[in-house]
Amino acid sequence: GAVVSQHPSWVICKSGTSVKIECRSLDFQATTMFWYRQFPKQSLMLMATSNEGSKATYEQGVEKDKFLINHASLTLSTLTVTSAHPEDSSFYICSASSRWGLSGANVLTFGAGSRLTVL
Amino acid sequence: DAKTTQPNSMESNEEEPVHLPCNHSTISGTDYIHWYRQLPSQGPEYVIHGLTSNVNNRMASLAIAEDRKSSTLILHRATLRDAAVYYCILRDDGGATNKLIFGTGTLLAVQP
Repeated sequence: GAVVSQHPSWVICKSGTSVKIECRSLDFQATTMFWYRQFPKQSLMLMATSNEGSKATYEQGVEKDKFLINHASLTLSTLTVTSAHPEDSSFYICSASSRWGLSGANVLTFGAGSRLTVL
Repeated sequence: DAKTTQPNSMESNEEEPVHLPCNHSTISGTDYIHWYRQLPSQGPEYVIHGLTSNVNNRMASLAIAEDRKSSTLILHRATLRDAAVYYCILRDDGGATNKLIFGTGTLLAVQP
């Protein structure tokens, strides 16, 4: 089945630095990927839709200059948290649409997530 | 986006069936009913989805009400590894660009 790989799985950084998270579709092409953020004991919150070859579409309240998204190829999207602060500490998860089973239904495959801790 | 309503939590015993309900009274004709689950410290995984007819796969069954205003995810024999948060989500399956908006889901606890 379809696999989405995220890297790194966890990262610790100092306040003020920038962190890049990669999301790769390993065995399929993804023109669209989605980035989510999840705080402890809360549900996933959609941050942005990443579109290959064009600008990302951000959800209301998400700062595009803070969370830079680049989707330069059909298999790679990156999220860069710029000038990270402790409140940016969270679980970041990416996903991509893929075809499932014999029916070819359109479902989302998620990465394992990247846990960011900002000191 | 049409919303779904799920119980916050449910408990089950190992090897017993589990019925997880979901209400979606404002569902539109083009909305598919998707179920995903999230194990602790992992990304969500697809479980099952359907439009009008009941669906079965190796993981679970999905029973959809005739008026489509509710559905039930059925785990036939719960195992400890099924302990997770289960999300019922409506999605217009028109294309790959359609995003998934997660609600709060149901936290399923499985007792040995």
